[in-house]
Amino acid sequence: SQQGEEDPQALSIQEGENATMNCSYKTSINNLQWYRQNSGRGLVHLILIRSNEREKHSGRLRVTLDTSKKSSSLLITASRAADTASYFCATGDSSYKLIFGSGTRLLVRP
Amino acid sequence: DTAVSQTPKYLVTQMGNDKSIKCEQNLGHDTMYWYKQDSKKFLKIMFSYNNKELIINETVPNRFSPKSPDKAHLNLHINSLELGDSAVYFCASQQGSGANVLTFGAGSRLTVL
Repeated sequence: SQQGEEDPQALSIQEGENATMNCSYKTSINNLQWYRQNSGRGLVHLILIRSNEREKHSGRLRVTLDTSKKSSSLLITASRAADTASYFCATGDSSYKLIFGSGTRLLVRP
Repeated sequence: DTAVSQTPKYLVTQMGNDKSIKCEQNLGHDTMYWYKQDSKKFLKIMFSYNNKELIINETVPNRFSPKSPDKAHLNLHINSLELGDSAVYFCASQQGSGANVLTFGAGSRLTVL
């Protein structure tokens, strides 16, 4: 069954604004990862946050994790047109499986 | 050099045919995966091999058969193609075990007519 659920399904913002995407999951995890997928391309890893971490930064990306609520958020600050893509969260446990959500489609208008 | 390469990128075929998609990684990773992405962008794990051994086999029809001749290659053969098999198939690789970072190929878009 599907593990991660992203919210919203689609997001349209103006260049320069911040974009926030949320991910909820159902079971215990070792880590949570965020990936970006440009149209017609493969997924690219953005950031990984472990279950004992609460916040992580990478450039314009900020990820938070709340294991008590089984949720995570991805914040992209000062968005650019090039950030237009689909963003997926993926949860991993102790097995080999990395389970993906259905993604948030982000459109950044110039 | 492309880290994870899939061929072909596009595949259009008739119902009932048999087709294969090939994947190769040059990262020295131990584990390789096949994922299927449907028209709604939902990404579903299909198979995983670790050092040529099958470790994940999700609920996938028997018409799908993965083969890993060595740890750098993972191929997917599909028999008796059906309309519902139309999707983008992604190969990915990962170092070690557990939920480590995946490196994806560019995808193979399969269209069954």
